[in-house]
Amino acid sequence: DIQMTQSPSSVSASVGDRVTITCRASQGIARWFAWYQQRPGKAPKLLIYAASTLQSGVPSRFSGSGSGTDFTLTISSLQPEDFATYYCQQANSFPLTFGPGTKVDIK
Amino acid sequence: EVQLLESGGGLVQPGGSLRLSCAASGFTFSSYAMNWVRQAPGKGLEWVSVISAGGGSTYFADSVKGRFTISRDNSKNTLYLQMNSLRAEDTAVYYCATGPHVDTTFINGWFDPWGQGTLVTVSS
Repeated sequence: DIQMTQSPSSVSASVGDRVTITCRASQGIARWFAWYQQRPGKAPKLLIYAASTLQSGVPSRFSGSGSGTDFTLTISSLQPEDFATYYCQQANSFPLTFGPGTKVDIK
Repeated sequence: EVQLLESGGGLVQPGGSLRLSCAASGFTFSSYAMNWVRQAPGKGLEWVSVISAGGGSTYFADSVKGRFTISRDNSKNTLYLQMNSLRAEDTAVYYCATGPHVDTTFINGWFDPWGQGTLVTVSS
């Protein structure tokens, strides 16, 4: 199975801050990779797929990069609605696996 | 509007069974692979199972293999998850989530959209 790790596990930030979250796969997955946002009590929402493609309707302050084993999610200017937990996911092979999540909360 | 609506969750005793349903609307259900993903209380996301658009291919997480069955009725736009021999560690919110379109020829992919989830609690 492909293991996914994320760092940091949590980050405290202020509105307007630039936030970067990283995810690493235990083996190469090319660009078979996605990022999700989950607000408390809500279902996850797809933000980015194929490592860097922004899902329709997602604000352009979100961006993704990487390929192979190392990936990054960047929020260029944090907004109040961005305080949430972010998960990465590999889509290269079964079983599909998620990272443990990164909680972004208010500083 | 694309919508996925799960139902069938509830309280069940260890060793018991439950069948979850996911009713889809607003898109061509029969053209997409469909998944179940779960989230234990206060924990992260765990993929459970996938079924291809036509229903001919399925995959399961090792944690549920042999106990859970995934199926679909494309005439009713509905996805199912039959859960048998339930354990306390199966307690979670279960989400259905749309996978890749049949034209992509693969069923592994990312999930969009997701339903609102249904809570399954396994406890005596």
